[in-house]
Amino acid sequence: SQQGEEDPQALSIQEGENATMNCSYKTSINNLQWYRQNSGRGLVHLILIRSNEREKHSGRLRVTLDTSKKSSSLLITASRAADTASYFCATDSLLGAQKLVFGQGTRLTINP
Amino acid sequence: NAGVTQTPKFQVLKTGQSMTLQCAQDMNHEYMSWYRQDPGMGLRLIHYSVGAGITDQGEVPNGYNVSRSTTEDFPLRLLSAAPSQTSVYFCASSYYGTPNYGYTFGSGTRLTVV
Repeated sequence: SQQGEEDPQALSIQEGENATMNCSYKTSINNLQWYRQNSGRGLVHLILIRSNEREKHSGRLRVTLDTSKKSSSLLITASRAADTASYFCATDSLLGAQKLVFGQGTRLTINP
Repeated sequence: NAGVTQTPKFQVLKTGQSMTLQCAQDMNHEYMSWYRQDPGMGLRLIHYSVGAGITDQGEVPNGYNVSRSTTEDFPLRLLSAAPSQTSVYFCASSYYGTPNYGYTFGSGTRLTVV
């Protein structure tokens, strides 16, 4: 069964706007990661946030983690057409011996 | 530095045939894993390995075998292909213990079983 669940399943915004995607998970984690997948391609690692961190930045990406609510959010600021992709959260469960468990993803479309 | 290399990129099999999906990495990663991705779903873990000679099952292991004779290679074998195994398969690797940089994925193998 899926550990992480992303919300919304699909998001369509105008170029230049900010995009926010949310992820909820069920069990205690070591870390939470976000990945991007362009159509027909493999997944690319974006950012990793540890269970003892609350916020992390990387360029136009901002990730927050609330372990009390078992949730995370990914914010992409000043979106570009090239940000069009599917975004997945993945958790490395304390029980999972480094097994990374993925959610179903958010399909983000940036309209020019 | 090639990262994670998967071959073939595309494959069509007939029901009952067997085949091996190849995965190789050149980053000296201890941890390697295989996922399948089906439409509208996330990635589901098939098998994983934390080092040469060590493998274990993931969420959906039935119908697949793996072995890890070297650090670099982690082949996935389909024993008797079934239409339900039509999917895109991804191999991923990382350092074992405390991954600081996430997983590195291959570009995938798109498998169709007819």
